[in-house]
Amino acid sequence: QKEVEQNSGPLSVPEGAIASLNCTYSDRGSQSFFWYRQYSGKSPELIMSIYSNGDKEDGRFTAQLNKASQYVSLLIRDSQPSDSATYLCAVIPGGTSYGKLTFGQGTILTVHP
Amino acid sequence: NAGVMQNPRHLVRRRGQEARLRCSPMKGHSHVYWYRQLPEEGLKFMVYLQKENIIDESGMPKERFSAEFPKEGPSILRIQQVVRGDSAAYFCASSPPVIQITDTQYFGPGTRLTVL
Repeated sequence: QKEVEQNSGPLSVPEGAIASLNCTYSDRGSQSFFWYRQYSGKSPELIMSIYSNGDKEDGRFTAQLNKASQYVSLLIRDSQPSDSATYLCAVIPGGTSYGKLTFGQGTILTVHP
Repeated sequence: NAGVMQNPRHLVRRRGQEARLRCSPMKGHSHVYWYRQLPEEGLKFMVYLQKENIIDESGMPKERFSAEFPKEGPSILRIQQVVRGDSAAYFCASSPPVIQITDTQYFGPGTRLTVL
């Protein structure tokens, strides 16, 4: 079982729709969760971080965390073509006191006009 | 403020040569992480360094790879006797000196290594 799993996609949504990206993790002790966006040929860019169960909203982005189900998701409202990228879910393993990130494979999102 | 800087941005080496990748963290940051992204694969942690100390090298291949972060100058990831399988994007990230798992890591632009 992979430590962090994501559907590789591609996920295709029309412009203006809600894109829903999902991630599960195996280490029940994990406490820090991140979503990064990576455009082709570029470096990862942090979109959201979440540490507590529930929802966290930032503009068009909402991260949701459910530690009991070991599940974290990212919703993108009013999707734009510029949101087309690979979205990486990252987790800091339990028992780690520094920022050693474990990444999922990434989900490719395409937003079509 | 300058962000994380990596150079070179692109590096071409022939099999058996050495590759040196450099990373200068953001101003005020003293922690550096190296990650590797192989083609069609996700980012994988390689090593975590503080100034003059390797804290966690659990993701480093056992042979040919080494890393350092001297008191002065950039962090260096060194790959000896490169093979085609080393072709990948290598990213450096830095974080502030106070260690917290909530610290944001800032990624550099990466070095794309091609081994011929």
